[in-house]
Amino acid sequence: AIQMTQSPSSLSTSVGDRVTITCRASQDIRKALDWYQQKPGKAPKVLISAASTLQSGFPSRFSGSGSGTDFTLTISSLHPEDFATYYCLQDFNYPYTFGQGTKLEI
Amino acid sequence: QVHLVQSGAEVKKPGASVKVSCRASGYTFTSYTIHWVRQAAGQRLEWVGWINAGSDKVKYSEEFQDRVVMTRDTSASTVYLELSSLTSEDTAIYFCARDNPLIAMGDYWGQGTLVTVSS
Repeated sequence: AIQMTQSPSSLSTSVGDRVTITCRASQDIRKALDWYQQKPGKAPKVLISAASTLQSGFPSRFSGSGSGTDFTLTISSLHPEDFATYYCLQDFNYPYTFGQGTKLEI
Repeated sequence: QVHLVQSGAEVKKPGASVKVSCRASGYTFTSYTIHWVRQAAGQRLEWVGWINAGSDKVKYSEEFQDRVVMTRDTSASTVYLELSSLTSEDTAIYFCARDNPLIAMGDYWGQGTLVTVSS
């Protein structure tokens, strides 16, 4: 199975901060990488698909980049509603595998 | 408006089986694949497998291959996840999620079903 290594696992941040989360795949997954946002007690929501396509409902302060094995999720300026846990997912081959998550904390 | 509504929480003893349902509405049920994903407390999300609601084709993670069965009832627009030989390590929230090939796995999600395995 493809291993997804996400870092950091948690990040102490503040409103207005620029945040970068990275996800590394154990093998080349092209651009088959999605990012999800999960808030406590809720199901995840797909935030970015195919490494860089921002999904509707999310503001442009979120962006994704990367291909191959290294990927990045960037939040340009944190808003209060962005405090959540973020997961990467590879859907390049089976089994689909998630990163361990990055929890953004105030 | 798309909705995925899951069945309620379950408590099972080790060695038992559990069957969780996911009822879809607001779209053509047979046109989409449904994934199942689980999340143990404080752990990462874990993909269990998918079922194509139209063809009934399934794909399971090898991790669960021997004890998972996914089925669907088109008349009820419902998919089911059955997991057998439960252990405490199966204690988790189980989510169903619709696959959208134009977007990603999980453009819509169920609310989650807590399965607790305890003696």
